Amino acid sequence: DTGVSQDPRHKITKRGQNVTFRCDPISEHNRLYWYRQTLGQGPEFLTYFQNEAQLEKSRLLSDRFSAERPKGSFSTLEIQRTEQGDSAMYLCASSPPAGISYEQYFGPGTRLTVT
Amino acid sequence: AQKITQTQPGMFVQEKEAVTLDCTYDTSDPSYGLFWYKQPSSGEMIFLIYQGSYDQQNATEGRYSLNFQKARKSANLVISASQLGDSAMYFCAMREGLETGNQFYFGTGTSLTVIP
Repeated sequence: DTGVSQDPRHKITKRGQNVTFRCDPISEHNRLYWYRQTLGQGPEFLTYFQNEAQLEKSRLLSDRFSAERPKGSFSTLEIQRTEQGDSAMYLCASSPPAGISYEQYFGPGTRLTVT
Repeated sequence: AQKITQTQPGMFVQEKEAVTLDCTYDTSDPSYGLFWYKQPSSGEMIFLIYQGSYDQQNATEGRYSLNFQKARKSANLVISASQLGDSAMYFCAMREGLETGNQFYFGTGTSLTVIP
């Protein structure tokens, strides 16, 4: 049984560049979440997918951020025109369908550094 | 108002002793879930324990137990017989509307250090 995987684990980019992260959830999980975590803080919700549909998006999410989950399997998170304030750990999590269990299972995260 | 409040930025405990990590929450939804996660220095969030708002008994998972006081809106984590490997950040989280809600709210965390 494989857990949630994320790729890459680390990304260093220059300000203004675009970056894309990938998340592969646990195979039978239809719910997928993206979070951002900065140093000394808890994870902050970014967006949520149920199957391929993006059902929730944080109001704090800049329009430079976009996420997709084609075919309801893996998901990508793209950040356009990166800024230094985007430097953070980006966490992906997945959950099984409602009624089975309620907890989320997290991936190892992608650490983004914008120089 | 903060959905989840963790008031202890850092805690120390002697090895083999018990420790309580505090968490209070704020919601008007009658259906919600409370979770605790551990985040070691490696960065991965590890699920520890879950308590549903309708659960009558406090949740327990091995050395972890959740002291759920609904009227006080608190969900403290108790770790018994602390081990050196318990040193990590601990986050309390809440999910409102268990069947329909999709957001998890996390606290700012408590850094636990176990002293040999």
